[in-house]
Amino acid sequence: NAGVTQTPKFQVLKTGQSMTLQCAQDMNHNSMYWYRQDPGMGLRLIYYSASEGTTDKGEVPNGYNVSRLNKREFSLRLESAAPSQTSVYFCASSEASKSGYTFGSGTRLTVV
Amino acid sequence: KQEVTQIPAALSVPEGENLVLNCSFTDSAIYNLQWFRQDPGKGLTSLLLIQSSQREQTSGRLNASLDKSSGRSTLYIAASQPGDSATYLCAVQNYGGSQGNLIFGKGTKLSVKP
Repeated sequence: NAGVTQTPKFQVLKTGQSMTLQCAQDMNHNSMYWYRQDPGMGLRLIYYSASEGTTDKGEVPNGYNVSRLNKREFSLRLESAAPSQTSVYFCASSEASKSGYTFGSGTRLTVV
Repeated sequence: KQEVTQIPAALSVPEGENLVLNCSFTDSAIYNLQWFRQDPGKGLTSLLLIQSSQREQTSGRLNASLDKSSGRSTLYIAASQPGDSATYLCAVQNYGGSQGNLIFGKGTKLSVKP
């Protein structure tokens, strides 16, 4: 009964370093999403994948890239981390774009 | 541009009280509205999903209503318990814009005192 699994749970990066956040879901959902949550800003969509093989930009895509590796997995990559990318990152999935969403437990990223 | 507002930002009540959390949105052209719960340092747990054609949804002590024409939703929690303490988030999914994008309010932080 895992749902949406995110790794790692915590990460500290130095400015300019790169890393990939991993997300996997076991509910056979078609759509997957990456959000970031910042104090006072709420949750904002970074990228989404409506179905396997497709990805699209959300509200705040700059500085990020994504890969929909297969139906289960959707990764988020920071090529050159900046302090402004310090945030909590959430992955989510839904059966279809108009269905309810299931969220992972989040990755707390600090860029120093 | 869709904006979602939640009032109040914080609420403290004694155990056993019935309470109402409010959510308003500016654009009534929505597919659905979803209520989430977030515990400190944790992810979001989906509580209730209301499709645009529905008026309310119920799950246990929770009841959510939707009035699309007035741009409002309420989350009613009956007989509150200390375990209900958390931040409650409201989110709407629009027609148009980024497909599948949920627009979130900033949440209501609920504290239920024993």
